[in-house]
Amino acid sequence: DIQMTQSPSSLSASVGDRVTITCRPSQLINVYVSWYQQKPGQVPNLLIYAASTLQSGVPSRFSGSKSGANFTLTISSLQPDDFATYYCQQTYSAPITFGQGTRLEIK
Amino acid sequence: EVELVESGGDLVQPDRSLRLSCAASGFAFDDCAMHWVRQAPGKGLEWVAGISWNSGKIDYADSVKDRFTISRDNAKRSLYLQLNSLRPEDTALYYCVKDMHPGSVRYFGLDSWGQGTLVTVSS
Repeated sequence: DIQMTQSPSSLSASVGDRVTITCRPSQLINVYVSWYQQKPGQVPNLLIYAASTLQSGVPSRFSGSKSGANFTLTISSLQPDDFATYYCQQTYSAPITFGQGTRLEIK
Repeated sequence: EVELVESGGDLVQPDRSLRLSCAASGFAFDDCAMHWVRQAPGKGLEWVAGISWNSGKIDYADSVKDRFTISRDNAKRSLYLQLNSLRPEDTALYYCVKDMHPGSVRYFGLDSWGQGTLVTVSS
């Protein structure tokens, strides 16, 4: 099974900050990575798919990229609505696996 | 508008069985792979099972293989999950989730999620 090592597990930041979350797969997975946001009491919401494609309706301050074997979610300027938990996911091969999650909190 | 409505969650004793259902509307159900994803209380997301548009590709997480069975009925626009030999660690909110692609070769992004149905396994 492909493991997705997500870091950091938690992050404290302020409104307006630039934030980066990283996922490292245990093997090469092409660009089959998605990123999700989950707010407390809500269902997950797809932000990015195919490593860097922004899902329709998602604000442009969110972006995804691949560098070497690693994948990154960047929020360019944090807004109050962005404080949530973020997950990466690989769909390159079954079983599909998620990262452990990154809890983004207000500083 | 895409709508996914799960049902069937309940409180059950260990080693018992349960069947979850998901009614889909608002999209071409028979064009999309579908999944079950679960979330234990206060924990992260765990993918459980996936099925391609025509049921030709079916996959399971190692933790549920040989105990759970995913199936679909395209004529009824419905997805199912049969849960057998339930364990306390299966306690979670189970989400029905739509894939962006048919899933014949690989799955893709999961773009629509139901509200979930709660399964509690306890004696």
